[in-house]
Amino acid sequence: DVKVTQSSRYLVKRTGEKVFLECVQDMDHENMFWYRQDPGLGLRLIYFSYDVKMKEKGDIPEGYSVSREKKERFSLILESASTNQTSMYLCASSLGSGPSYNEQFFGPGTRLTVL
Amino acid sequence: AQKVTQAQTEISVVEKEDVTLDCVYETRDTTYYLFWYKQPPSGELVFLIRRNSFDEQNEISGRYSWNFQKSTSSFNFTITASQVVDSAVYFCALIPTSGTYKYIFGTGTRLKVLA
Repeated sequence: DVKVTQSSRYLVKRTGEKVFLECVQDMDHENMFWYRQDPGLGLRLIYFSYDVKMKEKGDIPEGYSVSREKKERFSLILESASTNQTSMYLCASSLGSGPSYNEQFFGPGTRLTVL
Repeated sequence: AQKVTQAQTEISVVEKEDVTLDCVYETRDTTYYLFWYKQPPSGELVFLIRRNSFDEQNEISGRYSWNFQKSTSSFNFTITASQVVDSAVYFCALIPTSGTYKYIFGTGTRLKVLA
């Protein structure tokens, strides 16, 4: 059974902390994605990666960075967490290296609260 | 503009009723892909269907059916004889083929099926 796992379901951090959100997929997918989900806004793409050590900015990259050192792992980093980064964060992966119209497989999400 | 509109924020129905979730999209591309995803309370989005712009055939899968109409730029989703397990947030999404093949998600429709 294909699987995308995220390191935490719930996370509470303080303003200014550095936050790491980890995502691991076991499907040998090249493409990986980070989204944030907010009520009334749907899913918005933060960063994506088509290969190891490769990253591309999505629609809302400000305040975030990513790391992809291994094919199966894609980390989202909040360099200095702020209250407006309180959100649900969803990781996804898909088959194909590069732009693709394949379906994405999602993790269960991390609900991050920044106090 | 490239956009997906799900005007229904929340719908409540009684079990066994039929329900249609609306999706209207905008794109300047002639080739594009449309998707529906389901997000149950557990959090992870689950892929339901993908359609390309050249395939206007309606699709039926069990109690689910999809009506794709290019003339009205709509890709509506109908659940027949709804069940409590259908309660979820449903997202419609678009991938235009110009640019980076990124998903453009609608804001989602929350469906509540009452027993």
